[in-house]
Amino acid sequence: RKEVEQDPGPFNVPEGATVAFNCTYSNSASQSFFWYRQDCRKEPKLLMSVYSSGNEDGRFTAQLNRASQYISLLIRDSKLSDSATYLCVTRGYYGQNFVFGPGTRLSVLP
Amino acid sequence: GAGVSQSPRYKVTKRGQDVALRCDPISGHVSLYWYRQALGQGPEFLTYFNYEAQQDKSGLPNDRFSAERPEGSISTLTIQRTEQRDSAMYRCASSLSDRTGLNTEAFFGQGTRLTVV
Repeated sequence: RKEVEQDPGPFNVPEGATVAFNCTYSNSASQSFFWYRQDCRKEPKLLMSVYSSGNEDGRFTAQLNRASQYISLLIRDSKLSDSATYLCVTRGYYGQNFVFGPGTRLSVLP
Repeated sequence: GAGVSQSPRYKVTKRGQDVALRCDPISGHVSLYWYRQALGQGPEFLTYFNYEAQQDKSGLPNDRFSAERPEGSISTLTIQRTEQRDSAMYRCASSLSDRTGLNTEAFFGQGTRLTVV
């Protein structure tokens, strides 16, 4: 079993739709959580960090449930430019490596 | 430099040859990570350094793989006696030192596409 698991996807949604991605992690010692975005043939880039109280950045909302070891990402009013692979990422205490999930691919259709 | 720089961008090598992949992290970044990424998959951890010290090499597939960061800046990932199964995108990332380690972002380079023929 992978340490970080995500919805297998792909997700194909129309413009303007709301889409939610789910992620679970197995290492209860994980301390930091992130969502990265990766465009085709490009490097992963940080989309947003995920805080315990949940956080929002424009159309993007991230939630963390430590008890269930579950992370989510909600994208509202999807744009064509949101088409990408979304990677769920965890990290342990200071200085440990970042653990990536397999990614969920999103295609927003006109 | 402004970002993480990896070289070469593309490398084609014959089976059995050794290859060295280079990573130049963002200036001042203490931590440096090596990942391997197959098409359609997330980055798979190989090894990482804090300064010049290799902290974790548990992700290296076998003893043909090694990495070093002798002066705490540039790092080299070396693959000896390459095999076709080593073909992949190799990515390097770096991050700032953070006392708590919380919410410290990893910045990735553009990667080296290795093809073993």
